[in-house]
Amino acid sequence: QITLKESGPTLLRPTQTLTLTCSFSGFSLSTIGVGVGWIRQPQGKALEWLADIHWSDSKQYSPSLKSRSTITKDTTKNQVVLTMTNMDPVDTATYYCAHRVVGGGLDYWGQGTLVTVSS
Amino acid sequence: DIQMTQSPSTLSASVGDRVTITCRASQSISSWLAWYQQKPGKAPKLMIYKTSNLESGVPSRFSGSGSGPEFTLTISSLEPDDFATYYCQQYNDYPWTFGQGTKVEIK
Repeated sequence: QITLKESGPTLLRPTQTLTLTCSFSGFSLSTIGVGVGWIRQPQGKALEWLADIHWSDSKQYSPSLKSRSTITKDTTKNQVVLTMTNMDPVDTATYYCAHRVVGGGLDYWGQGTLVTVSS
Repeated sequence: DIQMTQSPSTLSASVGDRVTITCRASQSISSWLAWYQQKPGKAPKLMIYKTSNLESGVPSRFSGSGSGPEFTLTISSLEPDDFATYYCQQYNDYPWTFGQGTKVEIK
């Protein structure tokens, strides 16, 4: 059974750095074809893909956030970490991590974590 | 970036109706298109992947079809549990992009 869960701060001040951890079970990020992505959703708005990391440690980022985002994985801990610097109120959203396999969609999602950026 | 345009934005329908949602890609995405269902306060749920493949456990009243640039999600007979917002997503090329969503509401 695959499960994912996001954790991190709920409130940040502008310019602070966000560190979100996706802790998962039921799969390994060492398995060929497996990846974990981050997606966010401001309240009442559409989904926005942020970043993705593969079993091979290949990483991809949204161009609009690439300059201030870093995604890493810890295979031994079964965790993926997303770091975003210089947070702004427009970054206020629910952040999700999700599992995927090559050729498939994002098939397992965490419950999401609401991050609010406010002074 | 590949733009994904969904229509309509809102759809009012009744239980038992046949419902079709359209997603248009701004450039070729081959068959790398997924559909998600999202209910208020919940994470999205994968319904269809690679244009027409039904995710395990998804009722057969859901189907997907299409080829570049237009794709469709069809619900053959709307059930009460289907009232939700639906998103398409392309994963042919990075950055992956989602449509703006289609809310299916009770008529």
